[in-house]
Amino acid sequence: SAVISQKPSRDICQRGTSLTIQCQVDSQVTMMFWYRQQPGQSLTLIATANQGSEATYESGFVIDKFPISRPNLTFSTLTVSNMSPEDSSIYLCRGMGVGNEQFFGPGTRLTVL
Amino acid sequence: AQSVTQPDIHITVSEGASLELRCNYSYGATPYLFWYVQSPGQGLQLLLKYFSGDTLVQGIKGFEAEFKRSQSSFNLRKPSVHWSDAAEYFCAVGAQNTDKLIFGTGTRLQVFP
Repeated sequence: SAVISQKPSRDICQRGTSLTIQCQVDSQVTMMFWYRQQPGQSLTLIATANQGSEATYESGFVIDKFPISRPNLTFSTLTVSNMSPEDSSIYLCRGMGVGNEQFFGPGTRLTVL
Repeated sequence: AQSVTQPDIHITVSEGASLELRCNYSYGATPYLFWYVQSPGQGLQLLLKYFSGDTLVQGIKGFEAEFKRSQSSFNLRKPSVHWSDAAEYFCAVGAQNTDKLIFGTGTRLQVFP
């Protein structure tokens, strides 16, 4: 099974700034996704990270706010732009491998002051 | 509409007692079902999954789940709970040929000694 790492594991940021979260998989996965888990809530899919092309965003999420890159099959980044306290969440990367295997990263805990 | 319902927000059991966490889903296609566990400060770990075949699925850490199509349920069970099982449990549903997982709101399990 694949192992997914995320950087940073946590951060505290000021309002109006941006943070880029990295997701690294130790083997190739067919698909990569980004989720948000707001305090006390379940996971909500932000977007599908597409290799070499623009990400596919879910309703309520836009590229200007959450730009995503996926330059190759094992790496993706999510940027949370112009942050506000409402962006305080855990952001999780997920990979899907052969046979619909699902792997989650440990998450990035973001606090916006 | 596609959805996952976990009716119990919070469950408390004594160590050694049996456990059942409920999950009901609404899904238009043949569902692929998952149970994940999230320990405090950790990412999501897959406990078990159901794709097809035997409707009673065995997972890690002594957990099992039973798929009941007639009841649109996929309840998670464990015959004897350990203190280390205290965590948040998420049920999720997806389809064979899609990448998106829909998560329930989670059930927080507390275990008393």
